[in-house]
Amino acid sequence: AQKITQTQPGMFVQEKEAVTLDCTYDTSDQSYGLFWYKQPSSGEMIFLIYQGSYDEQNATEGRYSLNFQKARKSANLVISASQLGDSAMYFCAMREGPGTYKYIFGTGTRLKVLA
Amino acid sequence: DAMVIQNPRYQVTQFGKPVTLSCSQTLNHNVMYWYQQKSSQAPKLLFHYYDKDFNNEADTPDNFQSRRPNTSFCFLDIRSPGLGDAAMYLCATRGLRETQYFGPGTRLLVL
Repeated sequence: AQKITQTQPGMFVQEKEAVTLDCTYDTSDQSYGLFWYKQPSSGEMIFLIYQGSYDEQNATEGRYSLNFQKARKSANLVISASQLGDSAMYFCAMREGPGTYKYIFGTGTRLKVLA
Repeated sequence: DAMVIQNPRYQVTQFGKPVTLSCSQTLNHNVMYWYQQKSSQAPKLLFHYYDKDFNNEADTPDNFQSRRPNTSFCFLDIRSPGLGDAAMYLCATRGLRETQYFGPGTRLLVL
């Protein structure tokens, strides 16, 4: 069965520094997608970045990049030049399995950016 | 500009008094979801629709029901809210590359 693991319940980072949020996954599928979402205190889940298992390059979206290591089954989110507005909960997610429209989420990492 | 809209953003209800949360989308996506999220936890899937095909999670309480009258709208009905139903309720759609797009959520408070 698919599984997502986020081992960092909380992280601190100094403003303007880079930070890596860890995500490991377990799947027997050959084709799968990995997602990162940001959830500020307002509650909305904001899509950040997507990585497909067959994508040859690591995904990047502005200050967000995904360090995808397929053999290690890790999909870490890297935020460069952290800003105070990056303080939020971050969830890693993937589709539950082939032929399903359901997703599984990790337990999340709460990031606090310090001024 | 908003793509997934949820109303209201905050809902206060009394113990046992039925409440309906609404969600609409301008994305024309076939798949819609309702999640329940309690503080500092991952979202928990309650239901999802593929068009009008309704899929209920096995552990979703009978107290929770849903309707999707058309592609754009989806409703979550809580027939007899208990204190344990106080949570954030998130609506989402599924778009290209399997990406989910979430609404801003409705925070439900049960008194």
